[in-house]
Amino acid sequence: DTEVTQTPKHLVMGMTNKKSLKCEQHMGHRAMYWYKQKAKKPPELMFVYSYEKLSINESVPSRFSPECPNSSLLNLHLHALQPEDSALYLCATSGADTQYFGPGTRLTVL
Amino acid sequence: RKEVEQDPGPFNVPEGATVAFNCTYSNSASQSFFWYRQDCRKEPKLLMSVYSSGNEDGRFTAQLNRASQYISLLIRDSKLSDSATYLCVVNMDAGNNRKLIWGLGTSLAVNP
Repeated sequence: DTEVTQTPKHLVMGMTNKKSLKCEQHMGHRAMYWYKQKAKKPPELMFVYSYEKLSINESVPSRFSPECPNSSLLNLHLHALQPEDSALYLCATSGADTQYFGPGTRLTVL
Repeated sequence: RKEVEQDPGPFNVPEGATVAFNCTYSNSASQSFFWYRQDCRKEPKLLMSVYSSGNEDGRFTAQLNRASQYISLLIRDSKLSDSATYLCVVNMDAGNNRKLIWGLGTSLAVNP
């Protein structure tokens, strides 16, 4: 099994709430990713961190705010989300060749 | 034309059957290729990387045809547990696996 963990597994939040998703990896990888996945669609890249610096932001709305406190941790801060933001949020890490995914956080915005 | 195209299926096959999926990609500069499998409401998991020489892992064989720009996955002796969505993934950035291009996935149902 991969060594990428995500918390919480499920999250229900209102549109005025502030919450955070957390990802932790123990694979020694220096690249970390946030993806959003809607039902019956492939994962959609949101952000990439490389050596703890943000290297790719795929024009994600500012209500999503990533943070990489160290090489093992990746957070996604959520504020003023919309119901259409409900999705599976996946964290991934990569070494040289391959991306490995965490189990995801299933987010519902009411 | 989509960057990575797959037949969405669904493929319904009996246990023990052999099933093949194809995937085409549009960018001839693509550098590395993968098959992921995803079970319902779970994360994608790497099934195989795909190399020019082709590679095999037990019942699974992946092939890459750069001239025709397609990738294939062959599953022999299908098991019930093979039922999942199979995602074809392409990296177009040499030496940098930062941005993958995903196909929409092919759904497989293996029936008793």
